[in-house]
Amino acid sequence: GDSVTQTEGQVALSEEDFLTIHCNYSASGYPALFWYVQYPGEGPQFLFRASRDKEKGSSRGFEATYDKGTTSFHLRKASVQESDSAVYYCALGTGGYKVVFGSGTRLLVSP
Amino acid sequence: EAAVTQSPRNKVTVTGGNVTLSCRQTNSHNYMYWYRQDTGHGLRLIHYSYGAGNLQIGDVPDGYKATRTTQEDFFLLLELASPSQTSLYFCASRDGSINNQAPLFGEGTRLSVL
Repeated sequence: GDSVTQTEGQVALSEEDFLTIHCNYSASGYPALFWYVQYPGEGPQFLFRASRDKEKGSSRGFEATYDKGTTSFHLRKASVQESDSAVYYCALGTGGYKVVFGSGTRLLVSP
Repeated sequence: EAAVTQSPRNKVTVTGGNVTLSCRQTNSHNYMYWYRQDTGHGLRLIHYSYGAGNLQIGDVPDGYKATRTTQEDFFLLLELASPSQTSLYFCASRDGSINNQAPLFGEGTRLSVL
């Protein structure tokens, strides 16, 4: 079945560091890919999506590019801030009812 | 403004207890979902619905019932709660007529089963 793999359970950075959170997926065809962010005590918030090969999604300084060749949608940010500390989820939708989420990556940014 | 509202925000019950979690969306979305969130497992789909009176089984349905009474309201029922159901529960909604629209989530309900 369809699945999303986030290899890092936790990433610890300092302010102004470059961020990469890895996301790989397994699905047939061209699924839509999403990134969500979740702050403590809140529900997941949609960041952005991409739905075709080489499409870039972006929001709030975060970006990711849909790569069908490597089945990846890695999240990147050039310079993180302490306020970016949160849990980040990669997810995919295949056009039906289902949206499949990865296990999440906790980002800790120290000042 | 699009919104998904869950109640209660926190709930404590005992093993064998009866619990109902409520979710209301004001987005005119047809799809509604119940997820549970646990460390190391991310978000796992319990049940979902694509309209009033409709119910579909998700990936982890054991021990849960759900009911969609109106377009806006979706309930999750635990009739014999067990400690393994201690978790953070999220409701979400989306417009199924928009291809691959991202779900919109509520704030969550933290349930503890003692």
